[in-house]
Amino acid sequence: AQTVTQSQPEMSVQEAETVTLSCTYDTSENNYYLFWYKQPPSRQMILVIRQEAYKQQNATENRFSVNFQKAAKSFSLKISDSQLGDTAMYFCAFIGSYNTDKLIFGTGTRLQVFP
Amino acid sequence: NAGVMQNPRHLVRRRGQEARLRCSPMKGHSHVYWYRQLPEEGLKFMVYLQKENIIDESGMPKERFSAEFPKEGPSILRIQQVVRGDSAAYFCASSPQGWDTQYFGPGTRLTVL
Repeated sequence: AQTVTQSQPEMSVQEAETVTLSCTYDTSENNYYLFWYKQPPSRQMILVIRQEAYKQQNATENRFSVNFQKAAKSFSLKISDSQLGDTAMYFCAFIGSYNTDKLIFGTGTRLQVFP
Repeated sequence: NAGVMQNPRHLVRRRGQEARLRCSPMKGHSHVYWYRQLPEEGLKFMVYLQKENIIDESGMPKERFSAEFPKEGPSILRIQQVVRGDSAAYFCASSPQGWDTQYFGPGTRLTVL
């Protein structure tokens, strides 16, 4: 069974600094997608970034980038130049090519950005 | 292009009543997914539907819960005879095809008194 693990329940960072959120996953599949979703206090689930497993290049979206280590099954999110609006729960998620219908989520990391 | 719409945003029911949650996918999306988020937890898959078909309901409780996605109109998640343990946020997501990025609606927060 596929699993997603986020080992940091809470993190904090000062505004304008950089922070990295960790995620590991377990799967026997070779083709899959990985995602980071953000859930601010409004509770809306917002897609932050997506990584295809077959791509070696790490995905980047403005201040957000990932470090995808396929052999280690690691998928960390780096937030550069942190802003107060980045305060949120961050969820790592996996979808495989065999179980194409369901996202499997980690338990989340609560990020607090301080001024 | 409007995003995924869900209504109501908040729903209060007394034990034993029925709850109906609605989801309209993004334009051009024919795949709908329902997830449940209990307090302080991540999202858990419930059901995956395409128009008029339930593709996978492996995450749905066997009793009291049902889902549909008719040819016309929104997808409906129906919970009969609600109990306090059903209190949660219910999220709908849609995608243009299977095995693709899922975009989420704002969720419906169900409170059972």
